Amino acid sequence: DAGVIQSPRHEVTEMGQEVTLRCKPISGHNSLFWYRQTMMRGLELLIYFNNNVPIDDSGMPEDRFSAKMPNASFSTLKIQPSEPRDSAVYFCASTWTGANSPLHFGNGTRLTVT
Amino acid sequence: QKEVEQDPGPLSVPEGAIVSLNCTYSNSAFQYFMWYRQYSRKGPELLMYTYSSGNKEDGRFTAQVDKSSKYISLFIRDSQPSDSATYLCAMLDTGNQFYFGTGTSLTVIP
Repeated sequence: DAGVIQSPRHEVTEMGQEVTLRCKPISGHNSLFWYRQTMMRGLELLIYFNNNVPIDDSGMPEDRFSAKMPNASFSTLKIQPSEPRDSAVYFCASTWTGANSPLHFGNGTRLTVT
Repeated sequence: QKEVEQDPGPLSVPEGAIVSLNCTYSNSAFQYFMWYRQYSRKGPELLMYTYSSGNKEDGRFTAQVDKSSKYISLFIRDSQPSDSATYLCAMLDTGNQFYFGTGTSLTVIP
């Protein structure tokens, strides 16, 4: 049974460039979450979707960040323009909301902005 | 004050020791409790998932929940070097919001 799939695993880019992170949730899950993890702050929730609709984006740091979920099996997180302080590991997670189910995480995208 | 408090460690124990990891919380709306294990350069992996107060055992792992004290624990018996990882506690409230601790780094020395 495939878990949450994220791509790319690593991304190195220069400041000012656009970065797009991708996520495929577990089939059948109806909620998708984007988190950012750093040593200083731990796991921070950026945004979550329920049935492909953004429910809470209060964690999105700035307008440079945007996320979409065009269908139940795909989501993107875009940073434009990227800055060095965006360097972190970005995780996608999914679950079945309504059944009090736990989150299942992907293996993350390690982003380095130089 | 954070919703979930977790001692970041690091914690270092000899192989075979019993490990106790703990989290406290302040929100009575938290109903479901999870422990995740995160190896270096990997995503958090669900280890234990509990609802009620009391103990839940899975092999060498025991999750304990005390809702009256707002305190949860994860015990690892006969710890192995392969248990070396960061352990995150997490909680789910009645509004389907997840809250995570900052993680405890554990090293088991052979």
